[in-house]
Amino acid sequence: EDKVVQSPLSLVVHEGDTVTLNCSYEVTNFRSLLWYKQEKKAPTFLFMLTSSGIEKKSGRLSSILDKKELFSILNITATQTGDSAVYLCAVEPNSGYSTLTFGKGTMLLVSP
Amino acid sequence: NAGVMQNPRHLVRRRGQEARLRCSPMKGHSHVYWYRQLPEEGLKFMVYLQKENIIDESGMPKERFSAEFPKEGPSILRIQQVVRGDSAAYFCASSAWVPEAFFGQGTRLTVV
Repeated sequence: EDKVVQSPLSLVVHEGDTVTLNCSYEVTNFRSLLWYKQEKKAPTFLFMLTSSGIEKKSGRLSSILDKKELFSILNITATQTGDSAVYLCAVEPNSGYSTLTFGKGTMLLVSP
Repeated sequence: NAGVMQNPRHLVRRRGQEARLRCSPMKGHSHVYWYRQLPEEGLKFMVYLQKENIIDESGMPKERFSAEFPKEGPSILRIQQVVRGDSAAYFCASSAWVPEAFFGQGTRLTVV
């Protein structure tokens, strides 16, 4: 059974801090790893990673995948209160369609 | 281009009643996925449908739950004879060819 473990489960930081969220996974046939941001409503897609060592970047957010060690990190620099959310990591198997296995998420609270 | 539309946003049912959750995918998307999110848990895959076909229902409970995606109209997730343990947020996602799925706002089902 595919498995995704995220850490920490929750995190409180001050505005301006840099945070690193972790995601480790076990999947029978890996195709991709995805990061989402969930703010009490629909998960919003952030990144999809398929290759090791290639950093994906969007503004203050960046993510990288290590397929050998089976983990990914999501970095957020210069955090803002608007970054407060649950960050979800999911893996997609190479099965021909995207049924995702999600981790439980990391709840990030950025205090002013 | 409207996103994935789910309704209702909130649904309250008494034990033993039926719950019908609707999902209209993004325009041009023919793949629909249903996920359930229990409190403090990650999203769990339930069922994957294409128009008029169930492709994978491995995550759906064998009893009381059914899903359809007719040729015309939204996808429907039906839960018969609801129990308290069915209380959760139910998310629908749609995709075309790309693996990342676009999520709806979810339906929060409360069974009283």
